[in-house]
Amino acid sequence: DTEVTQTPKHLVMGMTNKKSLKCEQHMGHRAMYWYKQKAKKPPELMFVYSYEKLSINESVPSRFSPECPNSSLLNLHLHALQPEDSALYLCASSQLLKGRHEQFFGPGTRLTVL
Amino acid sequence: KQEVTQIPAALSVPEGENLVLNCSFTDSAIYNLQWFRQDPGKGLTSLLLIQSSQREQTSGRLNASLDKSSGRSTLYIAASQPGDSATYLCAVRQDSGAGSYQLTFGKGTKLSVIP
Repeated sequence: DTEVTQTPKHLVMGMTNKKSLKCEQHMGHRAMYWYKQKAKKPPELMFVYSYEKLSINESVPSRFSPECPNSSLLNLHLHALQPEDSALYLCASSQLLKGRHEQFFGPGTRLTVL
Repeated sequence: KQEVTQIPAALSVPEGENLVLNCSFTDSAIYNLQWFRQDPGKGLTSLLLIQSSQREQTSGRLNASLDKSSGRSTLYIAASQPGDSATYLCAVRQDSGAGSYQLTFGKGTKLSVIP
């Protein structure tokens, strides 16, 4: 099973709302990632978790708050977002030990901030 | 800083044609290179991964090659079909250091296969 699942598929929120994006994988991967992708652009890395600890934060605004409750789950908590945060949010996972380190992506959450 | 370039940005071919997508990168100290496919509004599907020690990988009608020393990779698609229409992204993973977890993506090649 090489599947990464993400919920919800679509999310519309106002600038004062609090919402969360969820990501799950059961491949035993110990690295999990959040990416943001704007239309016609490649994905941009936001956060990396390795062994459930935040290892990379690419200077992302604090209105985005990641959480990794266990080795299979990754959340992205959203608060006080701006319209320019509207994008496709992608989750990915990969192995950490020596090996292929192939990244597998989920289908994404299409976020619209009004 | 690693930079990845994909040429062409867009490509339109008639069904049945063989085609080549190009990817180049500036820093040859890579761990691996991955080719992805992305349909509009969807996530990325991993097509092929080439480790830095490998020269090529094949999956069905797809063949990816890697020339690490010259910083180039190609994705060859044989006998193209309308279902191959998508954006193809090339991404490299660095060998060590701060960039060892992250992929650096090219901007992609948008492929249209005309029936």
